[in-house]
Amino acid sequence: QSALTQPASVSGSPGQSITISCTGTSSDVGGYNYVSWYQQHPGKGPKLMIYDVSNRPSGVSNRFSGSKSGNTASLTISGLQAEDEADYYCSSYTSSSTYVFGTGTKVTVL
Amino acid sequence: EVQLVESGGGLVQPGGSLRLSCAASGFTFTTYHMTWVRQAPGKGLEWVSVISGGGTITYYADSVKGRFTISRDNSKNTLYLQMNSLRAEDTAVYYCAAYPTRGHFDYWGQGTLVPVSS
Repeated sequence: QSALTQPASVSGSPGQSITISCTGTSSDVGGYNYVSWYQQHPGKGPKLMIYDVSNRPSGVSNRFSGSKSGNTASLTISGLQAEDEADYYCSSYTSSSTYVFGTGTKVTVL
Repeated sequence: EVQLVESGGGLVQPGGSLRLSCAASGFTFTTYHMTWVRQAPGKGLEWVSVISGGGTITYYADSVKGRFTISRDNSKNTLYLQMNSLRAEDTAVYYCAAYPTRGHFDYWGQGTLVPVSS
């Protein structure tokens, strides 16, 4: 199972919006609405930010939103804040009943 | 409060074995699927294995199939990962995670480091 493809880095100024893409195949991203997004700060464990493509867990800011079109999912962070600087990973359930993560995107707040 | 605490990591030689544990608290353990995810130094997340709440269904990544075994003891609220025939490329921080429904991992531990080196 190959990793989902994400851009290595994305940057933006405070207050701006950024979007991170996550491209897979019809056997994972395109085949199921089980795409999730995780935020990871240095030295910490990952934190669930978005699940089932576009749902936010309780406690996650509504500045985070998710969507999907075909084999590509996206995470948008609006009103970018310094605390959003972190690594972000997408993940998808697969047709083999396994899971696959994306390659990861480093978000930098300028 | 949900807590997942991994333990059992440490330096191991290539070809060696190690068993990781993940102690869970703050939720009804038997109703949660459990998974292991690893992260090599400076690299991204890699899904390793999953086990159903009852422990009867398991799946593995191709990279560990036949070498790693996931299990759980619901009487002790503990998840395990038995790792055999370890290779240098297994060097990583190993995280356990819990989730009640398919598709996403709700709760994560802080990880335990497993360096594989001679």
